[in-house]
Amino acid sequence: EAGVTQSPTHLIKTRGQQVTLRCSPISGHTSVYWYQQALGLGLQFLLWYDEGEERNRGNFPPRFSGRQFPNYSSELNVNALELEDSALYLCASSLRAGADTQYFGPGTRLTVL
Amino acid sequence: DAKTTQPTSMDCAEGRAANLPCNHSTISGNEYVYWYRQIHSQGPQYIIHGLKNNETNEMASLIITEDRKSSTLILPHATLRDTAVYYCIVRAFSNDYKLSFGAGTTVTVRA
Repeated sequence: EAGVTQSPTHLIKTRGQQVTLRCSPISGHTSVYWYQQALGLGLQFLLWYDEGEERNRGNFPPRFSGRQFPNYSSELNVNALELEDSALYLCASSLRAGADTQYFGPGTRLTVL
Repeated sequence: DAKTTQPTSMDCAEGRAANLPCNHSTISGNEYVYWYRQIHSQGPQYIIHGLKNNETNEMASLIITEDRKSSTLILPHATLRDTAVYYCIVRAFSNDYKLSFGAGTTVTVRA
C-alpha cells in the first residue's frame, strides 16, 4: 500500500513569489493535515482538511491557504513568500477525522531566497 | 498534548536492543502514548501507540507502566538505519488533531 506522497521534493523560490505544494493521502484516508517544520522551531500545525472542507487552521497568516479535492488529495498554497517561509512542509493523512493516527509524507523542502 | 520528558540523546550498538524512556506523569485517562521518529530531513514516521497495555508491531515494542506515568520504546535489534530523532507524545483520540513534537531523543546507532 502506497504511503502519503508529496510533490515536489525540493523547491527554490524568491521572495514575493507564490508556491503550490501537493499531497496525496494514503488510499482510503479522508483527512489531510499540513505542518511546517522550520529549522529549530519544531512541528507547527498549518491546516486540516477533511471531506473537502477546511476543519481548522493554525496560527499562520492568510497567505497560507489550501484545498482538498474530491479524491482527498490536497494542495497547500503560499503567496507572497518571505524568507522565513523556508522550511520542510509536511503533509499527513489519517483514516478518520480528528485524532486518529497520522501518517506523514516525505515532505517538500522549500527554500526562499 | 500532555507534556513528555525524554533524554536528549543516547547511543546504541548495532544489533543490540535500544530502550528509549519517556516520562508523561500528567497523562490523562483518555490519552494515548504515541511514538514517531524522524530521520534527518525526512518526514516523521509513525512507530507505535498504546493506551494501557504493552504493544508490539514489526518495528518496535511499547511498554507502558501500570500507572501510565512513563513508557519505554524498545527497538529489539537496532540497525544503522534506526539512527533518528525519536518523539514521544501523548494525545487524546477525542480532539487532539494537532501533532506537536518536543525535542525528542536523538538516537545514534553505532557499528
